Amino acid sequence: EVQLVESGGGLAQPGGSLRLSCAASGFTFSTYSMNWVRQAPGKGLEWVSYISSSSSTIHYADSVKGRFAISRDIAKNSLYLLMDSLRDEDTAVYYCARGFRGAFDSWGQGTLVTVSS
Amino acid sequence: DIQMTQSPSSLSASVGDRVTIPCRASQNISSYLNWYQQKSGKAPKALIHAASNLQSGVPSRFSGSGSGTDFTLTISSLRPEDFATYYCQQSYSYPRTFGQGTKVEIK
Repeated sequence: EVQLVESGGGLAQPGGSLRLSCAASGFTFSTYSMNWVRQAPGKGLEWVSYISSSSSTIHYADSVKGRFAISRDIAKNSLYLLMDSLRDEDTAVYYCARGFRGAFDSWGQGTLVTVSS
Repeated sequence: DIQMTQSPSSLSASVGDRVTIPCRASQNISSYLNWYQQKSGKAPKALIHAASNLQSGVPSRFSGSGSGTDFTLTISSLRPEDFATYYCQQSYSYPRTFGQGTKVEIK
């Protein structure tokens, strides 16, 4: 069974940093692309970032480009999102999602990030 | 960026109804369109990829159609567990974009 478990969310001050993690199990992590998708309270889904299976290709939404960095550790079956220069509008539940033919076919339960002073 | 539009933002239906949920892309995306279901407080669940391909384990009452700019998610006979918000998402180009969602409510 595919499992994705996010962690690392919490309260951060504007301008601060957080590092999210996503532990993957139940599939061959090294052969799948991965994504981060977020959802602000009461709002819709917003794609944040993509990393290919080999980490050779990375994409970001304009709203986070230059502030967030996605990475993965094949040996640890883990996906990461380093978030710097946090803003109020980054407050959201952050989901990691496995990529499959452009779709997001498996999702974690999400981790809440709150940016507030 | 490709804009995805879902209208209406909500609809009311009864158990047993046939429900169609439209989604429109701001440019031709061929069949690079995916559908998700999200229940309150839960993570989204993938339903359909590439416009019409049912994800493994998804009931056959769900189907998808369309290509180019206009797409439809159809629930052939609504069940109580189908009351949720449905999102479309394009995988034609980056940035990936979602529609605003259509909430299916109980009439």
